[in-house]
Amino acid sequence: SQQGEEDPQALSIQEGENATMNCSYKTSINNLQWYRQNSGRGLVHLILIRSNEREKHSGRLRVTLDTSKKSSSLLITASRAADTASYFCAVRNTNAGKSTFGDGTTLTVKP
Amino acid sequence: NAGVMQNPRHLVRRRGQEARLRCSPMKGHSHVYWYRQLPEEGLKFMVYLQKENIIDESGMPKERFSAEFPKEGPSILRIQQVVRGDSAAYFCASSPPGTDFGTQYFGPGTRLLVL
Repeated sequence: SQQGEEDPQALSIQEGENATMNCSYKTSINNLQWYRQNSGRGLVHLILIRSNEREKHSGRLRVTLDTSKKSSSLLITASRAADTASYFCAVRNTNAGKSTFGDGTTLTVKP
Repeated sequence: NAGVMQNPRHLVRRRGQEARLRCSPMKGHSHVYWYRQLPEEGLKFMVYLQKENIIDESGMPKERFSAEFPKEGPSILRIQQVVRGDSAAYFCASSPPGTDFGTQYFGPGTRLLVL
């Protein structure tokens, strides 16, 4: 299985702090995507990073990818209460269109 | 450009009934994916379709579940003779054509409750 696995399972921080979530996978990938899901809602795409990229930024989000360690991290800087959600990584390999998701990290940002 | 549309948003069925879930991909997208999410879990891949073709159905249960993406109209995920274990959120995603496996855009999901 090349399932993306997020770590930690749950994270609780104060508003203004940074939040770091990690994702590990097992086989080669074409790209890795991070998604946010608010409770009872659909998934919102955050960032896609390709296997030949090492780092991408989008606003307060920073994603890194280390293909040698088969891991990725999502950093949210200066967190806000509105960032409270579950965050999932999803990997896609070179030979399939499907994404394989982990079980997510639940982030709680306290005001 | 409207996003991925799914309907209904909520569906209640009694055991033994049929459930039909619809997904309209984003305009110009010819790839559709269905995923299922149980509470407190991530999404599990079910099936990947292109227009009139099933490309990968490795995640589909062998019985009672079927999917189609006709030339015209939305993609349909059909669950026959539903059981309580089918209760879940079902998400559809679409991506643009071409061999560049890019971003998958997700719909809001259909929450199926089997009584």
